[in-house]
Amino acid sequence: NAGVTQTPKFQVLKTGQSMTLQCAQDMNHNSMYWYRQDPGMGLRLIYYSASEGTTDKGEVPNGYNVSRLNKREFSLRLESAAPSQTSVYFCASSADRSRAFFGQGTRLTVV
Amino acid sequence: AQSVTQLDSQVPVFEEAPVELRCNYSSSVSVYLFWYVQYPNQGLQLLLKYLSGSTLVKGINGFEAEFNKSQTSFHLRKPSVHISDTAEYFCAVSVAGGTSYGKLTFGQGTILTVHP
Repeated sequence: NAGVTQTPKFQVLKTGQSMTLQCAQDMNHNSMYWYRQDPGMGLRLIYYSASEGTTDKGEVPNGYNVSRLNKREFSLRLESAAPSQTSVYFCASSADRSRAFFGQGTRLTVV
Repeated sequence: AQSVTQLDSQVPVFEEAPVELRCNYSSSVSVYLFWYVQYPNQGLQLLLKYLSGSTLVKGINGFEAEFNKSQTSFHLRKPSVHISDTAEYFCAVSVAGGTSYGKLTFGQGTILTVHP
């Protein structure tokens, strides 16, 4: 049972490059989320999707876009990476009225 | 909007000693409360949650937490810690009544280090 799978696990980008972080869940959950984790700041919500076909901004959406491709997959895109986007990114999913399950994270460095 | 404050960034403790990790929150609406644990280089795992009912909540690995509405606190406790409890712990809230329990506001995290 894989749960929430994120790819890649590590990535180094140059400033201005673009990339897409992939996330897939196999638990038939309606809701999916993208968080970033920075030292001393906990996790902050970037975007979320309450159901297939819908997405909404979270606390820190600037510089990111998302796509809910289908019920299983929720991708996060950085169009023009900046050093301030160096972080660990977590994808999560949840069923209605149930706890969130988190992926293992993607460690992104922008140089 | 909601905010969560974890009062200690680091807590060192000796093995078999008790520990308390403190969490206060602020919200203009009712919230659900959660504690998550993150082991090194891993994702987050749920320790316990408070949705309603009894204010003392028991979770996995011998942890428990008490919801205090008047003090807007949700402190995490364990009577006797083990080396394996060394990890970072996060307190989080979500708006009560919603269906998306994963839409969370997190505290800054507390690193618990258990020494032999």
